[in-house]
Amino acid sequence: NAGVTQTPKFRILKIGQSMTLQCTQDMNHNYMYWYRQDPGMGLKLIYYSVGAGITDKGEVPNGYNVSRSTTEDFPLRLELAAPSQTSVYFCASSYSSRGGYEQFFGPGTRLTVL
Amino acid sequence: AQTVTQSQPEMSVQEAETVTLSCTYDTSESNYYLFWYKQPPSRQMILVIRQEAYKQQNATENRFSVNFQKAAKSFSLKISDSQLGDTAMYFCALSNNAGNMLTFGGGTRLMVKP
Repeated sequence: NAGVTQTPKFRILKIGQSMTLQCTQDMNHNYMYWYRQDPGMGLKLIYYSVGAGITDKGEVPNGYNVSRSTTEDFPLRLELAAPSQTSVYFCASSYSSRGGYEQFFGPGTRLTVL
Repeated sequence: AQTVTQSQPEMSVQEAETVTLSCTYDTSESNYYLFWYKQPPSRQMILVIRQEAYKQQNATENRFSVNFQKAAKSFSLKISDSQLGDTAMYFCALSNNAGNMLTFGGGTRLMVKP
């Protein structure tokens, strides 16, 4: 099992550009999450999904969109990149949404908006 | 809203010694879950240990153990026989019972010195 994979690993965007961060998991997990980690800070939840076709906002959803057409994939879309979106983005998945289940994290995407 | 606070931005410990990382939290839920995650320089988030709030017994995983004080809303991590590979950022995290809100603290950077 590859676990949770994310592409790209690094990206530099200009202000106003758009991009999609890809996330795929091969553990057949129903629950998937997107987080951002600003320098020296903990992770903050952007969006999550409890299954294909179902998504919901987390703590910091503004400026982002997500979709979940399959169990495996959960892409994160930035429509109009802003410097405030410079961060490291982590995708995660879990077997269940119940709080005790471990979330498995991808390796992260470092995004810089200039 | 739930919050997690880690009051020690940085700590250091000599190899083979014991170190304790502090974490306090706040939640209005009666049942919840607490986690410690390790983030080495590779950026990968790795689960170290978890604790379910209604279980009074403190969790232990090999050299890692927690001191869970529910009334004080405190959840500290003790690392025994510290190893160089323990050098990392450590994040305390709190999950609600539904599992759709995982809140992270700001992290503690731990340096293990030879």
